[in-house]
Amino acid sequence: ETGVTQSPTHLIKTRGQQVTLRCSSQSGHNTVSWYQQALGQGPQFIFQYYREEENGRGNFPPRFSGLQFPNYSSELNVNALELDDSALYLCASSLEAGYEQYFGPGTRLTVT
Amino acid sequence: AQSVSQHNHHVILSEAASLELGCNYSYGGTVNLFWYVQYPGQHLQLLLKYFSGDPLVKGIKGFEAEFIKSKFSFNLRKPSVQWSDTAEYFCAVNARDSSASKIIFGSGTRLSIRP
Repeated sequence: ETGVTQSPTHLIKTRGQQVTLRCSSQSGHNTVSWYQQALGQGPQFIFQYYREEENGRGNFPPRFSGLQFPNYSSELNVNALELDDSALYLCASSLEAGYEQYFGPGTRLTVT
Repeated sequence: AQSVSQHNHHVILSEAASLELGCNYSYGGTVNLFWYVQYPGQHLQLLLKYFSGDPLVKGIKGFEAEFIKSKFSFNLRKPSVQWSDTAEYFCAVNARDSSASKIIFGSGTRLSIRP
């Protein structure tokens, strides 16, 4: 059974640029959630996708957007990057919405 | 608004000491509750979960947690900690009866075990 994978591992972008992060969910999981984790903080919920539809959203501006594909993999897009967007971005998949989540290793984004 | 509070930011214990990490949440509806652990250099992984039924749940590595609905609490316990329990522990809440999911994590408790 393949776990949750994320790409890339690290990324450096300049303020104002756009970025796309990718996540492959665990086999059989139809729900993907994205989180932002700043240093020393808990993961902050960005949004969740369930069967290709957004199923919930945290307190993040619209420049954070996402997609889920028919194979349940997912993308997180962030437009107009700001310095405060520098963080570890975590993807987690679950069998169904509300179930326990399985986390990927994260993508470390640095905005300069 | 939903929130999760973990009162202890950093806990330092000696091996064989007993552990209790506090977690309180604010949400009036039905919740799924989780404790996740992050060992140094590793992914977040599930320690234990509560959906319904017996409020005392057992997880991996000898951990357990008790859901007390009247106190909106889900405290994590272990009778005797080991050096290998050194990690960051996160409590998380998922609101079950809203039309959309929202998962809230606490800010985490760093546990250091003295050998």
